[in-house]
Amino acid sequence: GESVGLHLPTLSVQEGDNSIINCAYSNSASDYFIWYKQESGKGPQFIIDIRSNMDKRQGQRVTVLLNKTVKHLSLQIAATQPGDSAVYFCAENNNAGNMLTFGGGTRLMVKP
Amino acid sequence: SQTIHQWPATLVQPVGSPLSLECTVEGTSNPNLYWYRQAAGRGLQLLFYSVGIGQISSEVPQNLSASRPQDRQFILSSKKLLLSDSGFYLCAWSWHPQETQYFGPGTRLLVL
Repeated sequence: GESVGLHLPTLSVQEGDNSIINCAYSNSASDYFIWYKQESGKGPQFIIDIRSNMDKRQGQRVTVLLNKTVKHLSLQIAATQPGDSAVYFCAENNNAGNMLTFGGGTRLMVKP
Repeated sequence: SQTIHQWPATLVQPVGSPLSLECTVEGTSNPNLYWYRQAAGRGLQLLFYSVGIGQISSEVPQNLSASRPQDRQFILSSKKLLLSDSGFYLCAWSWHPQETQYFGPGTRLLVL
């Protein structure tokens, strides 16, 4: 993707605060979205997904919000913990080709 | 449940040497398989994907190749490694090209 060569943006939060990680998508036809968490030296792990017929979906300490009007996706992490420190990727099914398209990622750093 | 394996976990190879990275999936049949490369601090770059045995699609022209000799086996190869081939190589699988991808633990390759 186009963002592959760019350094990851970083979000630094205090332990216990809430984190909000944002992702913009380009195709209004996209109907499925996923958030992944990648810890250092490991493969990305599925966190939560949402389909376009929903605006919000909650998991354990995580909430994904989808705003189709402005084509924006966000991941909210409540009471951020040191173990949440990782790179977070969004992915969308934009019906271009046959596969998911991944965003460039955001590095979350949790300060103790 | 499904599991995905990659080996080796780490590999140090001289420039010009061949490469073979292996990925296997357990617990599912006819998965869609993917190879990604991730440079340090960067996003995911899709290299190859496969929808079935012997079916390989290349996303980025380079000196790497992929093969799928068995339903649940995906191999990434090179005849002569370049310095620029260094990176973190991730294999992933999905039931459908437009659905969630599940990643393996990755192989860290250092070409010297």
